[in-house]
Amino acid sequence: DVKVTQSSRYLVKRTGEKVFLECVQDMDHENMFWYRQDPGLGLRLIYFSYDVKMKEKGDIPEGYSVSREKKERFSLILESASTNQTSMYLCASTPDGNSPLHFGNGTRLTVT
Amino acid sequence: QKEVEQNSGPLSVPEGAIASLNCTYSDRGSQSFFWYRQYSGKSPELIMSIYSNGDKEDGRFTAQLNKASQYVSLLIRDSQPSDSATYLCAVNGNTGKLIFGQGTTLQVKP
Repeated sequence: DVKVTQSSRYLVKRTGEKVFLECVQDMDHENMFWYRQDPGLGLRLIYFSYDVKMKEKGDIPEGYSVSREKKERFSLILESASTNQTSMYLCASTPDGNSPLHFGNGTRLTVT
Repeated sequence: QKEVEQNSGPLSVPEGAIASLNCTYSDRGSQSFFWYRQYSGKSPELIMSIYSNGDKEDGRFTAQLNKASQYVSLLIRDSQPSDSATYLCAVNGNTGKLIFGQGTTLQVKP
């Protein structure tokens, strides 16, 4: 079974802090994604990556950056956390564009 | 028009009934279609994949795809209270990314 592991299940940070959300997958998948999910807004794509050191902006990249130094690891960075970034963050991976996404357990981030 | 549309619900069915969830999509070139189940506070879990026209059955779940009409549906037979969740339809878009619908909330009443 594919395993996508997100480093934290719950996280509380203060406004202005730099926040790192880590995601690791163990199936040698090429493609990795970061989403956020808010009530009534569904899943929104923040950033994705099709290869090591490669990144593409999704639909809502403002206020975020990413890093993919190794194939199995995709990190989401909140440069200066704000209260409107309080959300559920979901990492996912897939081997190719026609295969389903496999999601991690999610990180519930609260910014106070 | 949204790329992937679902009725947000809630869809309420009695225990033991058939629940029918529908999804329409706009990109005629889409090749891959998925249904995910998401319990409150949890991450989405893949329950069905379908790639060609027709029906695909897996236990109590049946996915139906009609590319000409651009819709995909999920039938849940013998619905159980444990099926109460939000069901997300996902379709691969022309950029290779999955496009998700907003989800349909299903409530199965004992």
